[in-house]
Amino acid sequence: EDKVVQSPLSLVVHEGDTVTLNCSYEVTNFRSLLWYKQEKKAPTFLFMLTSSGIEKKSGRLSSILDKKELFSILNITATQTGDSAVYLCAECGQGNLIFGKGTKLSVKP
Amino acid sequence: DSGVTQTPKHLITATGQRVTLRCSPRSGDLSVYWYQQSLDQGLQFLIQYYNGEERAKGNILERFSAQQFPDLHSELNLSSLELGDSALYFCASSATDFSTDTQYFGPGTRLTVL
Repeated sequence: EDKVVQSPLSLVVHEGDTVTLNCSYEVTNFRSLLWYKQEKKAPTFLFMLTSSGIEKKSGRLSSILDKKELFSILNITATQTGDSAVYLCAECGQGNLIFGKGTKLSVKP
Repeated sequence: DSGVTQTPKHLITATGQRVTLRCSPRSGDLSVYWYQQSLDQGLQFLIQYYNGEERAKGNILERFSAQQFPDLHSELNLSSLELGDSALYFCASSATDFSTDTQYFGPGTRLTVL
């Protein structure tokens, strides 16, 4: 069965720290990998990755995919309290979207 | 605000009952996706419709069904409800196929089965 594993499950940091969230996947017919941020509401889209080695960047957030090693990382630099959320990654394969359990990030002032 | 609307926001019902959740996609989006999020299972893809036709199926129970109407709104029907069906149900929409398009999530419907 296809599987998406995120680590760590939870993380507590202080404002200004840099964090790296991990996502590994085992899937056939890979098409893309997506990252979402979920606060106390619906997930909001962050990135979609389809090609290895190409970094996607949005402000303090960036993400990269390694299709050979089957993983992706999400980096957040200079964290702020507003970054506190659950970060979900999802693999898009053949007609399906499989989510990991998420990483709960808590940023303390 | 993503532009995706879902009704109702909250639903409380009893075991054995049937409910219908409704979703209106963003203007211009042709695909609608349904997800279930529970504490123990995380976020799970249920089903996708594209322009009125079923496109992809995930972990959707046989007691659940969905459809997309000509005006592109979608309904998720849950029947013979069990306690374990209590969850947050999200609808998302995208312009075409989700492997190439961003999915925008609605605010969700919280279903409580007593």
